[in-house]
Amino acid sequence: KQEVTQIPAALSVPEGENLVLNCSFTDSAIYNLQWFRQDPGKGLTSLLLIQSSQREQTSGRLNASLDKSSGRSTLYIAASQPGDSATYLCAVSRNPNDYKLSFGAGTTVTVRA
Amino acid sequence: GAGVSQSPSNKVTEKGKDVELRCDPISGHTALYWYRQSLGQGLEFLIYFQGNSAPDKSGLPSDRFSAERTGGSVSTLTIQRTQQEDSAVYLCASSLSASPLGAQYFGPGTRLLVL
Repeated sequence: KQEVTQIPAALSVPEGENLVLNCSFTDSAIYNLQWFRQDPGKGLTSLLLIQSSQREQTSGRLNASLDKSSGRSTLYIAASQPGDSATYLCAVSRNPNDYKLSFGAGTTVTVRA
Repeated sequence: GAGVSQSPSNKVTEKGKDVELRCDPISGHTALYWYRQSLGQGLEFLIYFQGNSAPDKSGLPSDRFSAERTGGSVSTLTIQRTQQEDSAVYLCASSLSASPLGAQYFGPGTRLLVL
């Protein structure tokens, strides 16, 4: 069974600092990995999706890397802003026929103004 | 309003009562998923619908849980004889296809509290 772990569980940084969020998974035979953002009382918003054949994906201030062999992904958020405060979740899918995402418990980020 | 919508947004019920949670997926999305998010835990897959195919119910925690999708659109998740451990946020998502290549779009969730 795929186990997805996110460390740290919570993170507080001053505005302007870069954020580094970690995700690890026990079964390296993944098909893709997604990073989501969840705001209090809201649903999940997909941020980045990395196929297993890719090493990284970038969108604006966000960059996600994937090292499938070591079972790790890292989400970098550059020059953090108070609006980045949210819970960030990573999720992996196992194969093209497996739509069941395995989620980590998330990292709750607070960016202090 | 092109996103996934869910109702009610919050539900408080007494132990032993039945509840129904509704999900309206994005128009045109053929795949629909239900997840449960318990406090401090990751999302747990519950059930999956794809078109007219038989749903994948492998994630449902007990036979008190059931779901249906009428007309390939709206879905209802029913929990019978609710227990306190059923308290969680129930999230619905939809995607254009069954392939994981299609990103799943999530609704805001229904927060269920069983007293």
